[in-house]
This record gives sequence, C-alpha cells and structure tokens, in this order.
Amino acid sequence: EPEVTQTPSHQVTQMGQEVILRCVPISNHLYFYWYRQILGQKVEFLVSFYNNEISEKSEIFDDQFSVERPDGSNFTLKIRSTKLEDSAMYFCASTAGRNYGYTFGSGTRLTVV
Amino acid sequence: QKEVEQNSGPLSVPEGAIASLNCTYSDRGSQSFFWYRQYSGKSPELIMFIYSNGDKEDGRFTAQLNKASQYVSLLIRDSQPSDSATYLCAALLIQGAQKLVFGQGTRLTINP
Repeated sequence: EPEVTQTPSHQVTQMGQEVILRCVPISNHLYFYWYRQILGQKVEFLVSFYNNEISEKSEIFDDQFSVERPDGSNFTLKIRSTKLEDSAMYFCASTAGRNYGYTFGSGTRLTVV
Repeated sequence: QKEVEQNSGPLSVPEGAIASLNCTYSDRGSQSFFWYRQYSGKSPELIMFIYSNGDKEDGRFTAQLNKASQYVSLLIRDSQPSDSATYLCAALLIQGAQKLVFGQGTRLTINP
C-alpha cells in the first residue's frame, strides 16, 4: 500500500535554530498538507499546498514557517527560528482529491530545547 | 471558527460489545467526514469516511451521518482490545482550499 514517508522521525534542536522536516507524499496525489499535534492536544492544520503553491495557511503558520516542493517528490516544512512552543509532532499528509481520504505520514517529533 | 466536537472520554467498553463514538460539527458547508484511529505516539490512520446521509458499513465499522443534526458517529461492533486507541473525527471543509479539521478525539478502551 502506498505510504507517505517522513524524515527524520525525531529531531531535537536548540531554540533559535532552523529545522527542515521532510516528506515524500504518495506519487499520484495532488494535495499536500502539514499538520501538527502538540502532546495531548488535537491535530491542527498548518498549511495546504496544491499546484506548486500554498493554497491556504492557518494562523499558526507565521513568517517563521515555509514550505517547498523542491522537486517532483519531496515536500518540506522549514521553521526558521524555532521556539519552545514549536515542540510537537508534525505530520505530512496527501490526498488525490476531495472524495479521498488523507494519508498521513508517520510524523516527525520535534523537540526544541 | 469551524469546529468539530467530540467527547474526549475515556470511553470504556467490554470486549465483544458495541462501541459508539460521536461527533458534531458546526460548519454546514462540510462535505465529507472522516474517522481516524490514532494509537499513542503514532500518526492518524484512516478507518473510513462518509459524505451521504445514512449509514455506511465497512467490516466491523459503521459510520452514520445526519446532516440536518450536524452529527456523525462511528460504531465498532465486536470490539477487540486492539481497538483501544483515540478516535479522531474530521470534517472536510472546501471553502477556499480543501482541508480536514479535526476534533480533539475520543479515547476508547476495550476491556478484556
């Protein structure tokens, strides 16, 4: 069964450092997403990406965040200057369209110290 | 604010019984509804989705949708200890870009 692949599985970084989280969505999917889940809280939408551009972003997705699809397969989330409150599980997801489910990757646990 | 609400539980059900999980949503423009299962420390795993009023069955799982009441439910028949997890309800919003909006999840424990 096709999978969404995320790397790394766990990233520890110092406050103020930049991190890049990587995702390889399912190859025939068109819509890509980043979600995050702070421990014990709900899964929150960060950003959606379609046709090589951001289609929507949440209030959480401020100027410190950016996304990129540098080639035909990778989809990255960059946090420029991490804060303690960025510590969370970050999930990448992709879907073929509105009548299909979203497939989530296994997540990257980001710990900012 | 487009909300999806779930009872956070925990919901405790004996093995072999029916587990019933409920969800309400505030945005009448929501098109489809998804149930995900999430084990502790893991990613959400799609169980099933529904977009028409009524029932949809898939094995031991039945999703129910009532758009007039803005209510979605998931029934798990013959509950197994391996069904113990947090169940996430999500609504698909399509105003602008499409995105899933999640409820806070219901923690389900199946007791052997």
